[in-house]
Amino acid sequence: QMQLQESGPGLVKPSETLSLTCTVSGGSISNFHWGWIRQSPGKGLEWIGFISYTGNSNYNPSLKSRVTISLDTPNNQFSLTLKSVTAVDTAVYYCARVFGRDSSGYYADYWVRGTLVTVSS
Amino acid sequence: SFELTQPLSVTVALGQTATITCGGNNIGGKNVHWYQQRPGQAPVLVIYRDTNRPSGIPERFSGSNSGNTATLTITGAQAGDEADYYCQVWDSGMVFGGGSKLTVL
Repeated sequence: QMQLQESGPGLVKPSETLSLTCTVSGGSISNFHWGWIRQSPGKGLEWIGFISYTGNSNYNPSLKSRVTISLDTPNNQFSLTLKSVTAVDTAVYYCARVFGRDSSGYYADYWVRGTLVTVSS
Repeated sequence: SFELTQPLSVTVALGQTATITCGGNNIGGKNVHWYQQRPGQAPVLVIYRDTNRPSGIPERFSGSNSGNTATLTITGAQAGDEADYYCQVWDSGMVFGGGSKLTVL
């Protein structure tokens, strides 16, 4: 049974960089796509982006200039960095396994309990 | 960008059938996926590619998609089905509906 475990700080100061890591166990990171989705308090879901096992990435255009998703294959991890955060970036951040293909689209077939990241000084 | 419209809330009596809609321009031409999110928990995929149930999802969950509306149907709703439900499509990125809160009376 594949499991995902998020790690990272729950508090980030404005203008700094948010960094979260998702560790995959029970399976190889090399066989799937991996993504991040966030949810502001009391709000709906917002896609951040995903990275393919090939290393190709796809980001939400509204966040693209500030976001990087990367793979650490030897450690079976993938990471999210979001630069220059403000209070509007306060949200629960979820890492997820992404399934699909370009021809039919993608969806998140397995999510892990997310991390509340608060942006505050 | 593609927009998905869901009702804010849906109410169903215990044991009855709940239908949650997801509207979008010619959404029938896209694959629609549905997620259940119970309070304080991560979303769970309940329907993928319009009509398919992942392993472990009860048969009472079903989906359809045609024209401008996709529908999630819960036949014989149970108290444990109370949750927020989100539809999602792929349109050069994941696009989510605003979510529908299902209340089971």
